[in-house]
Amino acid sequence: DQQVKQNSPSLSVQEGRISILNCDYTNSMFDYFLWYKKYPAEGPTFLISISSIKDKNEDGRFTVFLNKSAKHLSLHIVPSQPGDSAVYFCAASAGTASNTGKLIFGQGTTLQVKP
Amino acid sequence: DAGVTQSPTHLIKTRGQHVTLRCSPISGHKSVSWYQQVLGQGPQFIFQYYEKEERGRGNFPDRFSARQFPNYSSELNVNALLLGDSALYLCASSLRGDTNLANYGYTFGSGTRLTVV
Repeated sequence: DQQVKQNSPSLSVQEGRISILNCDYTNSMFDYFLWYKKYPAEGPTFLISISSIKDKNEDGRFTVFLNKSAKHLSLHIVPSQPGDSAVYFCAASAGTASNTGKLIFGQGTTLQVKP
Repeated sequence: DAGVTQSPTHLIKTRGQHVTLRCSPISGHKSVSWYQQVLGQGPQFIFQYYEKEERGRGNFPDRFSARQFPNYSSELNVNALLLGDSALYLCASSLRGDTNLANYGYTFGSGTRLTVV
């Protein structure tokens, strides 16, 4: 049962353009959503999060949008830079309901930003 | 300030053997979680410990066990290793184990790459 899905295994964009990474979820109990970036041979690095009571959160070049009715979130990177090339994971937590910090991750999307 | 440190970075074990993986959280962090990442998949939750008590357990067999020590470091033990246990094992720490995620997320270590042959 894949509760968090990233249906695009890979994405390629040109430097300076927008990158849009998508994520769908099925569990309506999720109350926080997070995006992580992972380079080879490193652990995932926290990028940005959003609470289920919001529909947008912005941090510099990164913006996360949440559409609760569609159970869909997306990460926008503008402008994209070659250093953004990495695997991006969407993750969800039902922390308030479960009283744990358990994260459920999607399968990841490999982003390649071409110079 | 040191980040999350995991040891060893790589190891190779034979089927049926036992393995112990170690994790030191960021200083001051009281919660440690363990995740397994199989190639091509996202990390999968194994355990969470907070203040030395188990807070959560994922869908893993009893061959997997863990504990947290008074200094908040943690060990993950896997008995009777199977080929399918080959994966990257990630440790993550946070100040707390629940709503703190909203602001900071977890800080992950670089992982231990386990290969079972």
